[in-house]
Parts: sequence; C-alpha cells; structure tokens
Amino acid sequence: GAGVSQTPSNKVTEKGKYVELRCDPISGHTALYWYRQSLGQGPEFLIYFQGTGAADDSGLPNDRFFAVRPEGSVSTLKIQRTERGDSAVYLCASSLSERAGELFFGEGSRLTVL
Amino acid sequence: GESVGLHLPTLSVQEGDNSIINCAYSNSASDYFIWYKQESGKGPQFIIDIRSNMDKRQGQRVTVLLNKTVKHLSLQIAATQPGDSAVYFCAENIGDYKLSFGAGTTVTVRA
Repeated sequence: GAGVSQTPSNKVTEKGKYVELRCDPISGHTALYWYRQSLGQGPEFLIYFQGTGAADDSGLPNDRFFAVRPEGSVSTLKIQRTERGDSAVYLCASSLSERAGELFFGEGSRLTVL
Repeated sequence: GESVGLHLPTLSVQEGDNSIINCAYSNSASDYFIWYKQESGKGPQFIIDIRSNMDKRQGQRVTVLLNKTVKHLSLQIAATQPGDSAVYFCAENIGDYKLSFGAGTTVTVRA
C-alpha cells in the first residue's frame, strides 16, 4: 500500500484481556515507531525499531506492553492484562532514516478497554 | 486569527484570513522542530519542519518561525481555507529519533 496501514482500526476489549495491534509500514522504511495518543493530547512515544531490533523501548509504560518486528517490516504491539487506562489511539509511524524527520503516520488503532 | 500567548487549545479563524498558531518547547537542546496536522480520525500529517540553525522557513501557504531565545515556535497559515480545520501539533526532536509533541491547537475555519 501507499501508506502506513494499521489494524484493527477499532478494538473494544474487557479489562484483563490480551490485545495485539498490527502495523504495516511503508515499503522500504527501516525505522518504525509506536506512539500512544490519549484524548485531547499529543502523541507520546512508546518504542522505536531500526530494522528488526527495538532500539529504544523507554516509552513503554510497563511490562504489560511489548512490541516485535521479527522480519524488519510488520510490527505488532502487544498488551497483556489490559486496564481501562490503556484506552487510547495507538499510532504507528515509519520513516526512511533513523534520524527523526518526516514521520509517516497510520490512522491509528483505537483501543477501548471496558 | 492568532492563538495569543504561548499556547491556546482552540483557534477560530475566518476563511481567507491568516492564522498564527503558537507553541512553546521545553528543551533548549532540541535542534529540530516539526509541525503536524491531524484531521479527525486520522493520523498526524507532516506540514513543515525547521532546524535550529534557521529562524524561518516557508512552504506552500505555511511559514514556520523559530525563536530559540524564548523557545517559541509558530506556524502561520496564509489565506486559511475550510480544509485547514484540524488539530495542529508542534513537535521537538529530543533524540535522534524521538519526537516530543505538544498538546495541540484545534483550528476551526468559519465560512
């Protein structure tokens, strides 16, 4: 596809459940980022991948959050034992280089934890 | 229309007028700044960027001004159009790859 694709676009789950959010970056983009956006706020950094490895996961709020990018393309953000406070839009972005430049964002996955 | 002061969450502007959106950044070591536009239900979209060795940069209908002395950034939109209605975020580079976003300003264009 031409842009960053994220699935699902909406996910409603119950407290305590496990969720996976998928990101398919722009072809050829080696850098991939996950951000979280709460209502009325700007995006907050979660994790950055350069290739297959997580170069910086300092933004992950706790050990219930984990992300992988096994083949250096598609990435999955995994959240265990979801809590109501995890409700937010999870944005994925990709870029050509590791230097923060023009990030291309997907439309996000809106997670609602009941 | 102008968001007066360092930051206001909303800005209402008459179609055809110029808009000025202000942003204060926190890290004096930041060397790269970006403005993003986010429409409802979509991800942020790159508008324009500026590096710290510049004071001004112009794009199509947009101009970004950087004042490092007071750590202030502004986005000017000329001849604002209905399609400019969105939330605008400034972001600063706080590491080679990490961006810190402001809270955003919602711009509403009145017909």
